[in-house]
Amino acid sequence: GDQVEQSPSALSLHEGTSSALRCNFTTTTRSVQWFRQNSRGSLINLFYLASGTKENGRLKSAFDSKELYSTLHIRDAQLEDSGTYFCAAEHYAQGLTFGLGTRVSVFP
Amino acid sequence: EAAVTQSPRNKVAVTGGKVTLSCNQTNNHNNMYWYRQDTGHGLRLIHYSYGAGSTEKGDIPDGYKASRPSQENFSLILELATPSQTSVYFCASGEGLGGAETLYFGSGTRLTVL
Repeated sequence: GDQVEQSPSALSLHEGTSSALRCNFTTTTRSVQWFRQNSRGSLINLFYLASGTKENGRLKSAFDSKELYSTLHIRDAQLEDSGTYFCAAEHYAQGLTFGLGTRVSVFP
Repeated sequence: EAAVTQSPRNKVAVTGGKVTLSCNQTNNHNNMYWYRQDTGHGLRLIHYSYGAGSTEKGDIPDGYKASRPSQENFSLILELATPSQTSVYFCASGEGLGGAETLYFGSGTRLTVL
């Protein structure tokens, strides 16, 4: 909610193109996780980052704890990348605070 | 990969009735969580647990109780269900290694309170 701001709220991509999603944090964040929720509602963990960058196939994520933001890049978008992407911040209390999500639609 | 199983997948309850949502994980994770997901609010933490016998309040615990009778099982209990508790509920588990943990989610339970 209020502590995690995701943008954009929705994104349409042609197959083969690339784009980036962003999360801004309003308070100090120890780590960030990115999830994708598919049309059936299942939440899949994509990345866990305490700092730096990670890459997995066509997805790459970065986390800057000092500047309070994280990004998720989608390269060469495919139809199966469609879904709602959530970032979640781990603060210094237990549990994660989720953003409101970015709905990504990839079309031919 | 962590396996988190929720039951039931769908539930319809009446106002004032008691509802129990169940969650089972098979990877011996210490921490378990209950979230609800609503349009405009994202996922919000209701209760969580550090291990068997432990339950802690999350961000929105009012109207909910939790029970962790064993490492594997974590239940969410609505003693007196209200229509405002209509939502999709997700259970998650994590290793709990000093806070640095990846969460694994169940498939969700869609609850409708009439």
